[in-house]
Amino acid sequence: AQSVTQLGSHVSVSEGALVLLRCNYSSSVPPYLFWYVQYPNQGLQLLLKYTSAATLVKGINGFEAEFKKSETSFHLTKPSAHMSDAAEYFCAVSDRPSSNTGKLIFGQGTTLQVKP
Amino acid sequence: DAGVTQSPTHLIKTRGQQVTLRCSPISGHKSVSWYQQVLGQGPQFIFQYYEKEERGRGNFPDRFSARQFPNYSSELNVNALLLGDSALYLCASSITMGQGIDEQFFGPGTRLTVL
Repeated sequence: AQSVTQLGSHVSVSEGALVLLRCNYSSSVPPYLFWYVQYPNQGLQLLLKYTSAATLVKGINGFEAEFKKSETSFHLTKPSAHMSDAAEYFCAVSDRPSSNTGKLIFGQGTTLQVKP
Repeated sequence: DAGVTQSPTHLIKTRGQQVTLRCSPISGHKSVSWYQQVLGQGPQFIFQYYEKEERGRGNFPDRFSARQFPNYSSELNVNALLLGDSALYLCASSITMGQGIDEQFFGPGTRLTVL
């Protein structure tokens, strides 16, 4: 069965510092992987997705993630944190091929705090 | 263009009651999925509907049911509410069933509190 594990429920960085949020996956087939961001009292917004094209995926707001099959990882990075990046971040994997649906399996989430 | 809309925004119910949550997908989207997000956890898949038919169901009891209407809007019903049903209920729409390819657009959610 597909699953994702986010390492670190809380990450704190200074404004301008590198952001690194970790995600490891388990999948029986080449996975489709996603990073979502959730601001307080809002729904989820897609940052980026990997669907077996380029291993380095660029997303919105300066975020990018690298798919590493050998490490079963899909870590999210941003070179320079901004105060507006403070939010909850979720890594997710598509449930294919277990179910022929758009079902996403989410990690527990990582809260990013950005200090001035 | 309007995004995914959900109503109501907040809801307070007592144990044993029934609740109906509503979702309107983005125009042109034919698939609606429902997720439950308990505080401090990631969203958990409840249902997916596509072209008015149930296409997927998560590990939730039969107290949870849903339907999709001809205009592709959807309702999620929860009967015999338990304290543990308190959560943010998210609706997501996509053009097709998705299968990981189509982007799923999420609404702002309905915050359900069961007392």
